[in-house]
Amino acid sequence: GAVVSQHPSRVICKSGTSVKIECRSLDFQATTMFWYRQFPKKSLMLMATSNEGSKATYEQGVEKDKFLINHASLTLSTLTVTSAHPEDSSFYICSARVGSQAGGGGEQFFGPGTRLTVL
Amino acid sequence: AQSVTQPDIHITVSEGASLELRCNYSYGATPYLFWYVQSPGQGLQLLLKYFSGDTLVQGIKGFEAEFKRSQSSFNLRKPSVHWSDAAEYFCAVGARGGYQKVTFGTGTKLQVIP
Repeated sequence: GAVVSQHPSRVICKSGTSVKIECRSLDFQATTMFWYRQFPKKSLMLMATSNEGSKATYEQGVEKDKFLINHASLTLSTLTVTSAHPEDSSFYICSARVGSQAGGGGEQFFGPGTRLTVL
Repeated sequence: AQSVTQPDIHITVSEGASLELRCNYSYGATPYLFWYVQSPGQGLQLLLKYFSGDTLVQGIKGFEAEFKRSQSSFNLRKPSVHWSDAAEYFCAVGARGGYQKVTFGTGTKLQVIP
């Protein structure tokens, strides 16, 4: 099946620094990738939708300047948390959708997640 | 806007017993529907999905779900639960247009007792 990886799996950083998380589709090309944030004991909150070669579409309430998303290739999207603060600590999960599925539905393949802790 | 409700936050069942996890959705047309499972500290794994056709969908690990349009429901079932099924289960609804955005429910945590 389609495999999505994330790196790093865990990261601890100091307040005020920036952290980059990578999301890669390993065996397929993903024109669309999604970034989610999951709070403890909560559901996944969609942060943004990322399309290769274009600007990401952010959900309401998500700060574009704080959460920078780049989708430079069909297999890689990155999320950079800029000037991180303790309230940014969370579990970040990416997903990727296989190409263009006409009538095929929006199945997404999820990465294993990245645990960010900001001290 | 689409939405998903999972009314049960936590469910405990005995190993070998049957299981049903409830899911209700709100969407203007026939949606895409999914069930995902998440083990602690892990990503999500797709159990099954409904796109069209037969409303009873079979998935992995012995799970099935039935799409009932009249009730706007997509409940997940398993006839006999195994201890390894203990995890968090998320129902999700996907839009058929645009970026096919997926919205997740709040999840149901399943505990399996011997």
